[in-house]
Amino acid sequence: DGGITQSPKYLFRKEGQNVTLSCEQNLNHDAMYWYRQDPGQGLRLIYYSQIVNDFQKGDIAEGYSVSREKKESFPLTVTSAQKNPTAFYLCASSEGVLGETQYFGPGTRLLVL
Amino acid sequence: GNSVTQMEGPVTLSEEAFLTINCTYTATGYPSLFWYVQYPGEGLQLLLKATKADDKGSNKGFEATYRKETTSFHLEKGSVQVSDSAVYFCALYGSSNTGKLIFGQGTTLQVKP
Repeated sequence: DGGITQSPKYLFRKEGQNVTLSCEQNLNHDAMYWYRQDPGQGLRLIYYSQIVNDFQKGDIAEGYSVSREKKESFPLTVTSAQKNPTAFYLCASSEGVLGETQYFGPGTRLLVL
Repeated sequence: GNSVTQMEGPVTLSEEAFLTINCTYTATGYPSLFWYVQYPGEGLQLLLKATKADDKGSNKGFEATYRKETTSFHLEKGSVQVSDSAVYFCALYGSSNTGKLIFGQGTTLQVKP
């Protein structure tokens, strides 16, 4: 089945620790995205990537980093510089470069210990 | 800049009631419009979309018509079920967005038996 997988479903971070969230897609989509969702709010864009080895900052990139070494993978690292990391993180992909219809993974919930 | 405004929730209905969730937008040019649905603890699923004025998107009994004259894309369903309980997001993709979907804040729908 084609789709987007995110792991883990739940992730716990200690103070000062970097953690990496995985996002994989087998849809052969060119573009991939990371969003953050806070309770009662819409989604905010963290980073996006149009093609392999290229990515751009979204609206709230501070404290996060990404890489795009393979077309199917777009991992997100939440660094210790992100002071309020507790949120639900959603990965998405779209066909073609900046394709308008985005498809979402199941999400990862990050909690701070 | 581009923006999306949704009616505040929660919206509470009895089973088989008629549903309307209002969505209005501000955008330059001719954006594409989307409704996504999020069930508890899950990612977003594309519900329907419309790409030009007067288009009607439909899926699973839900409908929304792209009204350029009123800059609206209201979601409707004739008879809701308990299984429709979820958060609904209206979103916009415009040519000036450079890859970013603009989301409303979401509207929670609760359907009681």
